[in-house]
Amino acid sequence: NAGVMQNPRHLVRRRGQEARLRCSPMKGHSHVYWYRQLPEEGLKFMVYLQKENIIDESGMPKERFSAEFPKEGPSILRIQQVVRGDSAAYFCASSPLAGIYNEQFFGPGTRLTVL
Amino acid sequence: GQQVMQIPQYQHVQEGEDFTTYCNSSTTLSNIQWYKQRPGGHPVFLIQLVKSGEVKKQKRLTFQFGEAKKNSSLHITATQTTDVGTYFCAAPHDNQGGKLIFGQGTELSVKP
Repeated sequence: NAGVMQNPRHLVRRRGQEARLRCSPMKGHSHVYWYRQLPEEGLKFMVYLQKENIIDESGMPKERFSAEFPKEGPSILRIQQVVRGDSAAYFCASSPLAGIYNEQFFGPGTRLTVL
Repeated sequence: GQQVMQIPQYQHVQEGEDFTTYCNSSTTLSNIQWYKQRPGGHPVFLIQLVKSGEVKKQKRLTFQFGEAKKNSSLHITATQTTDVGTYFCAAPHDNQGGKLIFGQGTELSVKP
């Protein structure tokens, strides 16, 4: 029973390039969440998606960041024109249902380094 | 906005000593979750507390939810080197589904 999968695990980009992070939720899970973790900090919510819908993007910067979860295929977090401050670990989590009592299952993360 | 404060930020213990991390919310919570993140790893769900005053145990780990549902604690008895990692509490934002608000985490190191 595969867990949440993320790729790539490590990504190096130069300033101004685009970063594309992928997340495949656990089988049967239709709710996906993206979190960002800066070095030695906690996790900060970015965006919550359900298939083909963005439910809550209140934690995502308005510029350069976008997310999608298409009907087919993984969820994508896209960062355009990356800057050094974007260097962080980006974690995707999934849950089978919506609701406040559902634990979230986290993927291994993508460590983004911007040179 | 809603905040979840966690202390201490770091805790260094000798193997065999006890460890406690505390979590406080500015608002009453519907529930609180605890996660563990090993160094270089990802958060792994440990437990969820729902009821006022609830206490749950997992082997050497004891989790408590305050009577007012505004605070929680995780206590580890007789730490082992396998307990090393960062422990996070997390709560649903505005007691609604989806977004989790995480505490800053407590990083535990255990000296053998």
